[in-house]
Amino acid sequence: AQSVTQPDIHITVSEGASLELRCNYSYGATPYLFWYVQSPGQGLQLLLKYFSGDTLVQGIKGFEAEFKRSQSSFNLRKPSVHWSDAAEYFCAVGAHTPLVFGKGTRLSVIA
Amino acid sequence: EAGVAQSPRYKIIEKRQSVAFWCNPISGHATLYWYQQILGQGPKLLIQFQNNGVVDDSQLPKDRFSAERLKGVDSTLKIQPAKLEDSAVYLCASSLGGRTNEKLFFGSGTQLSVL
Repeated sequence: AQSVTQPDIHITVSEGASLELRCNYSYGATPYLFWYVQSPGQGLQLLLKYFSGDTLVQGIKGFEAEFKRSQSSFNLRKPSVHWSDAAEYFCAVGAHTPLVFGKGTRLSVIA
Repeated sequence: EAGVAQSPRYKIIEKRQSVAFWCNPISGHATLYWYQQILGQGPKLLIQFQNNGVVDDSQLPKDRFSAERLKGVDSTLKIQPAKLEDSAVYLCASSLGGRTNEKLFFGSGTQLSVL
């Protein structure tokens, strides 16, 4: 069965610092991988997705993620965090089945 | 462009009562999803509609939850009777064609508290 693990429940970074959110997945075939962001009181918004091809994908708001098949990982990165990036981040996996979401990582940004 | 609309925004009920949530997807989106998001968890799919037909309801607790999508547009999710463990945010999402690689557009959700 497919599953997603986000090892970090909560991360705090300083504004301007770099960010990496971890995501590990379990899936029998080549997965489709997604990162969504949820601001307080809002629905989820797609940041980026990976299906095939270049393993480094660019998304909105300056985010990128790298697919590493050997590590079953799809980590999200941003070189310089802004205060407005404070939110909950969800990694999701799927293919020809409904998406399975991880439990999320809450990002706090401090001045 | 109008997004996915959901109402009500908040709902507080007592256990064993019934409750209904409404969702209006983005115009032209054939696929509609209802997700349950319990505090501290990621969203879990309850039911997926393609137009007005059910594609997947394998995780819907059918003894108490029901959903319909009449005319392939709006959808209603009902819980009857509610239990304490139903306290969650209920998210509606839509997509153009229903393929897994499509972008999902989410509404802001209905936060349900069962006392």
